[in-house]
Amino acid sequence: QKEVEQDPGPLSVPEGAIVSLNCTYSNSAFQYFMWYRQYSRKGPELLMYTYSSGNKEDGRFTAQVDKSSKYISLFIRDSQPSDSATYLCAGQANAGNNRKLIWGLGTSLAVNP
Amino acid sequence: GAGVSQSPSNKVTEKGKDVELRCDPISGHTALYWYRQSLGQGLEFLIYFQGNSAPDKSGLPSDRFSAERTGGSVSTLTIQRTQQEDSAVYLCASSPDPGVSSYEQYFGPGTRLTVT
Repeated sequence: QKEVEQDPGPLSVPEGAIVSLNCTYSNSAFQYFMWYRQYSRKGPELLMYTYSSGNKEDGRFTAQVDKSSKYISLFIRDSQPSDSATYLCAGQANAGNNRKLIWGLGTSLAVNP
Repeated sequence: GAGVSQSPSNKVTEKGKDVELRCDPISGHTALYWYRQSLGQGLEFLIYFQGNSAPDKSGLPSDRFSAERTGGSVSTLTIQRTQQEDSAVYLCASSPDPGVSSYEQYFGPGTRLTVT
């Protein structure tokens, strides 16, 4: 079993839809949870991060972490064709001593105009 | 400002040849990471540099893979005697002081390696 599980999709939605992307993880030591976005033929870019449990909102994007169920979510409101990309979740045990991010496989999202 | 750059962007090589991949991190970033990304495998960690030293090289898949970093800046990933299973996109990322924000990694565009 991988430490971070993520359904690779693909996920296809119409423009304006609410998108829910999810990951599960197994390492109880994870403290930081990240969502990276990767456009085709580009490197990933950090979209959002969350420390421990809770919600974090940034414009149309909301990241949610539930440590009790080891569940990570990213919600995209009013999705746009420009949101079409692969979304990777990642967890990190300890930002001070362990710099290795543990990655999910990524979910491919297509937002259709 | 300038982001992370990698060269070459594409490399086609014959099985058994050696290849060198280069990464120029963001100026001032002390941490540098190499990853490999292939279809269905996700991002695979290869090696991490803090300055010029590599405290974590646990992800290098075999002794055919090596990496170095000089002057706390440019890094080179070398693959000797390439095999077809080495075909993948090799991504480099850099990060400011990892003690504070190592989750924040800035990636280059990658080098697409094809071994024929």
